[in-house]
Amino acid sequence: KAGVTQTPRYLIKTRGQQVTLSCSPISGHRSVSWYQQTPGQGLQFLFEYFSETQRNKGNFPGRFSGRQFSNSRSEMNVSTLELGDSALYLCASSLEPFRGNTIYFGEGSWLTVV
Amino acid sequence: SQQGEEDPQALSIQEGENATMNCSYKTSINNLQWYRQNSGRGLVHLILIRSNEREKHSGRLRVTLDTSKKSSSLLITASRAADTASYFCATDGIQGAQKLVFGQGTRLTINP
Repeated sequence: KAGVTQTPRYLIKTRGQQVTLSCSPISGHRSVSWYQQTPGQGLQFLFEYFSETQRNKGNFPGRFSGRQFSNSRSEMNVSTLELGDSALYLCASSLEPFRGNTIYFGEGSWLTVV
Repeated sequence: SQQGEEDPQALSIQEGENATMNCSYKTSINNLQWYRQNSGRGLVHLILIRSNEREKHSGRLRVTLDTSKKSSSLLITASRAADTASYFCATDGIQGAQKLVFGQGTRLTINP
């Protein structure tokens, strides 16, 4: 079955703009989480969604937001982009947010802010 | 902030040799997962080991977990050039949900 699908794979934005990234989880998976990966900070948790509800949020400013739809697909949005937002954004999915489930990642969306 | 720390940060070995990477973490966990990342790509799940397990195998991979020392190790036997990648351990706290905390990773290079 298909893995976690993220779109777009690459994008370039200008400072001050906003961006929306999309994630389709593995079929049947209801939990979606997002991570930011940068050379300096490594992999950092952004937020987690289950049943269209945000369950956990990482230590990121309010410019970072997300949502989950009834079909479990998720989007994240970053407004007023800054140069430091340039990163690989990874989406992950699992069956449900209960302990012990394997978490699978997509290929990521490479965001460059210029 | 990162909970896990991988050791070494970089490892270079000859093809056919075994590679061992270590991971330490700070708080109690429910389970620990190892991932591989090829340059510029997403994370590939390798193994999940639960807090009540001590060892787990998958093909050429062997993972151990010592909760008393808050550490885990990943052994790749008979390494191949295709194993060249970064390897990350990720933990989820017992009190948390599906929120993984990653280490900085070990960059493994297999020389032909």
